[in-house]
Amino acid sequence: LAKTTQPPSMEAYEGQEVNVSCSHTNIATSEYIYWYRQVPHQGPQFIIQGYKDYVVNEVASLFISADRKLSTLSLPWVSLRDAAVYYCIVTVLTRGFASALTFGSGTKVIVLP
Amino acid sequence: GGIITQTPKFLIGQEGQKLTLKCQQNFNHDTMYWYRQDSGKGLRLIYYSITENDLQKGDLSEGYDASREKKSSFSLTVTSAQKNEMAVFLCASSTPWGDAETLYFGSGTRLTVL
Repeated sequence: LAKTTQPPSMEAYEGQEVNVSCSHTNIATSEYIYWYRQVPHQGPQFIIQGYKDYVVNEVASLFISADRKLSTLSLPWVSLRDAAVYYCIVTVLTRGFASALTFGSGTKVIVLP
Repeated sequence: GGIITQTPKFLIGQEGQKLTLKCQQNFNHDTMYWYRQDSGKGLRLIYYSITENDLQKGDLSEGYDASREKKSSFSLTVTSAQKNEMAVFLCASSTPWGDAETLYFGSGTRLTVL
């Protein structure tokens, strides 16, 4: 049973805001939400992580619903460089122990000029 | 900042051949990982290592061996290359960041099996 569900793809025009949703209906209280993105011919790159409410950094913002079953990654004013596959990952919090993140198929964001 | 270097970038081998992929990181991270990514798909964990000389199997370890002889390097061996394992192999390393972890990835080694 998949831990997360994302739309397979979405399109946006340059300059628009893009919101990528992720459903994690069985998220446990010990689990955090991570978002990564992968541009072609590169490995995935960390964007943002959160536990609840709202998190923002210089790249994106992350809104997590009150019941934590849904999160939305928001990318303001996308450019062609934001075209990538975006992965939502839910995993147990670790303290000093290795954890391996599980990457599903992600959401392919297509940016139109 | 640091970097993860994977060599070679492209690896071509014959079916049944033993092939080795190498990964170096200068982050001084304790934990390193090997993932496999088939075309258009997500990443699947092959092996990871939490310290020098440690090895932990992932979901896809069958057909692969790994070696972590130094903290900075992590090698993956395809024991007998098959056409159905043509993919991009991604190495990563991680560090605890507060109470969370983030992974840093290399650019990958693309394996072609003839």
